[in-house]
Amino acid sequence: EAQVTQNPRYLITVTGKKLTVTCSQNMNHEYMSWYRQDPGLGLRQIYYSMNVEVTDKGDVPEGYKVSRKEKRNFPLILESPSPNQTSLYFCASSPFPGTYEQYFGPGTRLTVT
Amino acid sequence: ELKVEQNPLFLSMQEGKNYTIYCNYSTTSDRLYWYRQDPGKSLESLFVLLSNGAVKQEGRLMASLDTKARLSTLHITAAVHDLSATYFCAVAPRFGNEKLTFGTGTRLTIIP
Repeated sequence: EAQVTQNPRYLITVTGKKLTVTCSQNMNHEYMSWYRQDPGLGLRQIYYSMNVEVTDKGDVPEGYKVSRKEKRNFPLILESPSPNQTSLYFCASSPFPGTYEQYFGPGTRLTVT
Repeated sequence: ELKVEQNPLFLSMQEGKNYTIYCNYSTTSDRLYWYRQDPGKSLESLFVLLSNGAVKQEGRLMASLDTKARLSTLHITAAVHDLSATYFCAVAPRFGNEKLTFGTGTRLTIIP
């Protein structure tokens, strides 16, 4: 089944403890992206990747890192999480950037205490 | 800085009625996207609009794009309950720049 998977789906952690949220797609898509969704602030793009080894900042990249070493994986790294990174995170992929619809993962609900 | 505004933020309508959601954006753009999100769920892509005058339809939903007015509309025809969801538009500046800016979302509730 064609899909975007994220792990973990739920995570409660403490300030400063490094964590990684994984994102994987099995559709051979070139484009992948991370978003966060917050009440009152809507959806905001964190980082995106046009292809392997090509990443770029979205609107809210501060406090996050990404890497794209393989086409299928696009992990989101929080080196030192803070409470303001408590949010619902979505990963998405698309066959090519720009002209195609995106397929979204199920979301990761992160709480940083 | 690209800004995207949606109107209305909340919409409650009766089944069988027609309505339109508006998405305005502040700077020149190549592409506009529409998404749907059900409560507690992920996002689902609805439409990708790529050029001025583009119109796409899927079932009771029709989206259009006027790049000169920097306006997209999502029209709902003869609404049914299962269209209840939050609808987002998102805009990308130009090909090669894939930074997406989302609208605030329109929470649509269809009342039987």
